[in-house]
Amino acid sequence: DAMVIQNPRYQVTQFGKPVTLSCSQTLNHNVMYWYQQKSSQAPKLLFHYYDKDFNNEADTPDNFQSRRPNTSFCFLDIRSPGLGDAAMYLCATSRGWTYEQYFGPGTRLTVT
Amino acid sequence: DAKTTQPPSMDCAEGRAANLPCNHSTISGNEYVYWYRQIHSQGPQYIIHGLKNNETNEMASLIITEDRKSSTLILPHATLRDTAVYYCIVRAHGGSSNTGKLIFGQGTTLQVKP
Repeated sequence: DAMVIQNPRYQVTQFGKPVTLSCSQTLNHNVMYWYQQKSSQAPKLLFHYYDKDFNNEADTPDNFQSRRPNTSFCFLDIRSPGLGDAAMYLCATSRGWTYEQYFGPGTRLTVT
Repeated sequence: DAKTTQPPSMDCAEGRAANLPCNHSTISGNEYVYWYRQIHSQGPQYIIHGLKNNETNEMASLIITEDRKSSTLILPHATLRDTAVYYCIVRAHGGSSNTGKLIFGQGTTLQVKP
């Protein structure tokens, strides 16, 4: 039973063309996170929501935005993707700050 | 968050115990040790966490030294499916988003061999 679902699993976009990645959860968790993982690197937190409260990491580029319309869904919007934004994007959820995080399978983004 | 140091890679024979070390010499009193793993092309998976006592669950055991400056994750009977990158992370338990963050290091790539 999938708990954190990411669609699509693979996304190809053109340089500068806006793209949206989606994440949904069946766990009813309060916190949802977006991580970026470039090839051969560790996951890096971009931002997260605690309920509707948005928390942006200080070094997350302005090009990256997020929306959380309800508890179950969270979106990552990349306004003008550059070649350097090609990566695996991971969504995760947790019940609260100090609970373990459950990760989705990721969306691999290619920028052409 | 305190930093951790892990060997970049390790091998283990299938069926044997895999012992993955982690150094966290600057860990603070309120920081827990967490372990996650990431199998190739999948999202990270939570394994176990602990504060100062040894912990065991269905996946692994976590042994934390008395001074809490290092720990070892033990997979008692490694299988080929345990081949993954294993991340040791120290993380405070507190009431703010900063203390709840997971900061991943480079981890240890464990290769389980037949």
